[in-house]
Formats: sequence, structure tokens, C-alpha cells
Amino acid sequence: AQSVTQPDIHITVSEGASLELRCNYSYGATPYLFWYVQSPGQGLQLLLKYFSGDTLVQGIKGFEAEFKRSQSSFNLRKPSVHWSDAAEYFCAVGRTNFGNEKLTFGTGTRLTIIP
Amino acid sequence: GAGVSQSPRYKVAKRGQDVALRCDPISGHVSLFWYQQALGQGPEFLTYFQNEAQLDKSGLPSDRFFAERPEGSVSTLKIQRTQQEDSAVYLCASTSRGGAYEQYFGPGTRLTVT
Repeated sequence: AQSVTQPDIHITVSEGASLELRCNYSYGATPYLFWYVQSPGQGLQLLLKYFSGDTLVQGIKGFEAEFKRSQSSFNLRKPSVHWSDAAEYFCAVGRTNFGNEKLTFGTGTRLTIIP
Repeated sequence: GAGVSQSPRYKVAKRGQDVALRCDPISGHVSLFWYQQALGQGPEFLTYFQNEAQLDKSGLPSDRFFAERPEGSVSTLKIQRTQQEDSAVYLCASTSRGGAYEQYFGPGTRLTVT
């Protein structure tokens, strides 16, 4: 069965500093991987996704993520955070067989930005 | 264009009451998913529809949970005889056929059982 681990429950970063959120997955084949962001009281917004090909993917809001098969990781990065990036971030893995693309999410990392 | 909408946004139910949560997916989206998000947790899969067919209901936690999508568009998640452990945010997501797995999420319904 697929699973996702986000080892950091809460991260605090200064505005303008760089950010890396960790994600490790378990899946029997090449996974489909996603990062979502959730602001308080809001639904989930897709930041970026990895299906195949280039292991470095670019997303919205200046985020990027790198797929490392050898480490079963898909870490999210941003070179310089803004106060508006404060939110909950979820990594997710999807099944690669069309017909039921249900997602398995990690428990999330809450990001706090300090001035 | 309109995104996924859910209603009500907030629902308070007394233990033992039945509730119905509605999801309006993006027009034309074939696949529809329900997830449950407990406080401080990530969303967990409940059930999946492709058009009107419920193809996977393996995540429904008990037989008190029931979902339907009779015309392949709007979906309703019904919880009978609510319990306190049912308190959570219920998220709906939809995706188009061959939509490259990009699930569009609604804002969720926060259910509080007292």
C-alpha cells in the first residue's frame, strides 16, 4: 500500500529565507507525486506535480520540488519565502493506474513565517 | 469558471442525527472523490465515483456512511446516526477524464458532532 511521511510537523522560517519541506513516500512503482497547500478554512490548492521525466518540477508561487527515486523523496523548496506562504503543506502520492486516482496524503507540515 | 463547491460550509449535528453533505463538481468532470480530514491530519480517502458509478468505497469508515452521485454530477455524502468521531472536514474533489490526476478541491464542509 502507498504511504507518505512528512517528518516535520511544524517549521518556522524568517521572511526572505529559503525553505525546504521534506516528503518521503512508499509505493511499489513509479509514483505520481503532488504538493498541495491549504490555508485556514480553505480547500487544497495544487502547487505542483510529478508524473515522469525531469526530476525537478516547477510549480506556482515560486515553488519547486525534486523527485529522488533513490531516496524515495519529493522535497518542496522555495528560495525566498513571503509572509503569505504561511499555511499547511501536504505531500501526496497517487496511483499510477488510470481508473482510480485516489490520493494518499501525508499528515502535513505547518509553515509559520516570522518577520 | 466556477470551481468545486460544497454545502453547507459548516454543520453542527447532535449525536445520533443524520446529515447530508453536498458537492457540486466542476462541470464536465468525470471523476469525483470524497476525503475526510480530521483535525491536524491530512485528508483520507473515503470514496470515488466515475460518472454515476461508485467504483471504490473502501475508505468509508462504517456502514453509517453512504455516498451517491445519481446523475453523474452532484454528489451527496450522507452520514447516519452521527457520532463524535465523525467530526471532521469533508472535502470533495473532481477531475476530468484523462485530467492527469489534477484533483480540484472544494472548500470543504466542517462537521461538528456534539
